[in-house]
Amino acid sequence: GAVVSQHPSWVICKSGTSVKIECRSLDFQATTMFWYRQFPKQSLMLMATSNEGSKATYEQGVEKDKFLINHASLTLSTLTVTSAHPEDSSFYICSARAGLDRSNSPLHFGNGTRLTVT
Amino acid sequence: DAKTTQPTSMDCAEGRAANLPCNHSTISGNEYVYWYRQIHSQGPQYIIHGLKNNETNEMASLIITEDRKSSTLILPHATLRDTAVYYCIVRVAWRADGLTFGKGTHLIIQP
Repeated sequence: GAVVSQHPSWVICKSGTSVKIECRSLDFQATTMFWYRQFPKQSLMLMATSNEGSKATYEQGVEKDKFLINHASLTLSTLTVTSAHPEDSSFYICSARAGLDRSNSPLHFGNGTRLTVT
Repeated sequence: DAKTTQPTSMDCAEGRAANLPCNHSTISGNEYVYWYRQIHSQGPQYIIHGLKNNETNEMASLIITEDRKSSTLILPHATLRDTAVYYCIVRVAWRADGLTFGKGTHLIIQP
């Protein structure tokens, strides 16, 4: 149980275009999902917290107008990288908690999306 | 979240037990110890977590010292597929925000 699915697993796009990444909780509902970014040889960095039915909250230094997050249902959150540039090339990972948000249940992670902007 | 300290890298022979240490000397009474791992080019995978008592599941065992200032993750019979970066994270359970990842330990299982 507690499977988080991400799509696509990899994407290559041209500079200036937008890319949408989907994150789905397959066997549980998630009122909160989290988006991370990971550059080569670095650890995961939390970008934003996606809240179902309300606006996402972004970490300091993450541009909300560039990384649009939509959490329209309890099983789907999307991250859209708008006007992508080569420096946005990274590994994007989403996660969600299967239990109650304020519990000791662990977060479960998707398998990530590798974005390459040419 | 309490700060954690892990070795940068470790080697272990295939078939042997891999023991990964984590120091968390500033842990508070309501903070849990969580372990995740990340195999290359994949998302992190939850392994185990605990508060005070030792825990065991199908993947690993977690040994927490009596003073809770350190813990050890044990993979009883390491295989090549256990090569990954292992993250020890300490946090209050009822926080609803995302996890903060440190640099972790790069465990390399040698054939």
